Amino acid sequence: EVQLVESGGGLVQPGRSLRLSCAASGFTFDDYAMHWVRQAPGKGLEWVSRISWNSGTIDYADSVKGRFTISRDNAKNSLFLQMNSLRPEDTALYYCAREGGMAPLFDYWGQGSLVTVSS
Amino acid sequence: DIQMTQSPSSLSASVGDRVTITCRASQSIAGYLNWYQQKPGKAPKVLIYAASSLQSGVPSRFSGSGSGTDFTLTISSLQPEDFATYFCQQSYTTPRTFGQGTKVEI
Repeated sequence: EVQLVESGGGLVQPGRSLRLSCAASGFTFDDYAMHWVRQAPGKGLEWVSRISWNSGTIDYADSVKGRFTISRDNAKNSLFLQMNSLRPEDTALYYCAREGGMAPLFDYWGQGSLVTVSS
Repeated sequence: DIQMTQSPSSLSASVGDRVTITCRASQSIAGYLNWYQQKPGKAPKVLIYAASSLQSGVPSRFSGSGSGTDFTLTISSLQPEDFATYFCQQSYTTPRTFGQGTKVEI
């Protein structure tokens, strides 16, 4: 069974940093690109970042470029999101999602990790 | 960036109704369009990918159509478990933008 489990969220002051993790199981992790998607409370979905299977291709939303860094450790079946210079508008539930192997869809999602940026 | 616009933002419907949600892209995305369903407190779940392909395990009452800039999600006979919010998403290029969502209410 495919499972994605996020962790690392919490309450943080503006300007501080936080690192999210996503532990993957039930599939061959290094066969798949992975993404982070966020959802502010009561709002829609916002794509944040993507990393290819071998970390060779990385993309970011303009809203986080220069502040967030996506990475992965295929040996540990883990995905990460280092978030620096956090702003109140970064407050959201952060999901990790797997990109389907046969088509560019998000076929599996974690349950999300809540990040709250507030003083 | 490609903008995705859904309509309507919300709709009220009854069990058994046929429901149609529209998604428009700001430029052509060929058939690179996915539809997701999200229920309160849950992660999104993919229903349709590549505009019209039904994801494994999704009931056949869900269908998708369209190409280029205009797409449609249809629920042929609304069931109680279908009351949720639906999002379209383009997978043509990054950023992988989503529509703003359509909330289907009783």
